[in-house]
Amino acid sequence: DTAVSQTPKYLVTQMGNDKSIKCEQNLGHDTMYWYKQDSKKFLKIMFSYNNKELIINETVPNRFSPKSPDKAHLNLHINSLELGDSAVYFCASSQEGLAGSDTQYFGPGTRLTVL
Amino acid sequence: GNSVTQMEGPVTLSEEAFLTINCTYTATGYPSLFWYVQYPGEGLQLLLKATKADDKGSNKGFEATYRKETTSFHLEKGSVQVSDSAVYFCALYNTNAGKSTFGDGTTLTVKP
Repeated sequence: DTAVSQTPKYLVTQMGNDKSIKCEQNLGHDTMYWYKQDSKKFLKIMFSYNNKELIINETVPNRFSPKSPDKAHLNLHINSLELGDSAVYFCASSQEGLAGSDTQYFGPGTRLTVL
Repeated sequence: GNSVTQMEGPVTLSEEAFLTINCTYTATGYPSLFWYVQYPGEGLQLLLKATKADDKGSNKGFEATYRKETTSFHLEKGSVQVSDSAVYFCALYNTNAGKSTFGDGTTLTVKP
């Protein structure tokens, strides 16, 4: 069983379009994240939700809007796509334990290409 | 704030060579430290972790020791294999920040 799944795996679209990426985790975790990984493999956190509530919103254009219908799902909607949005987007989840260690579990990624 | 600095890549080694990837951090309090590995075309996965000073994390022949005095968490493996070719990320989690901070990643290529 896949712990953190994302759809689609690949997304190719034209500039100016609107697209969504979906994420689901079956680990029972309370916290979910979206990360962006650029072509140089640099990883940047975008958003974090805890129990459906937004707790981290890094400096991300407001064209990006996360939505968490329940604590097992965190979707990412992107409006008016731009060339610079091309990247791999990773969903992740975690459950802070007693030691506060917060191991992150990542999905397989969605490779977004904007033409 | 929190930050993680890791050795720049890419690193290219021959099979059975010794591997060290350096990682140092800046953080307040007592963060937990992690190494994640990303194989080609996949998401990151936990390789090992340590939650307090002097702890050693180990997995698949990789080791790293949490050194508070030098604020370091260097990754080592005695004999690398071609299958270890991947991108390695050092990271910390600090309860104060409520999120993980990742290094820039180090690409390792092991040649037969």
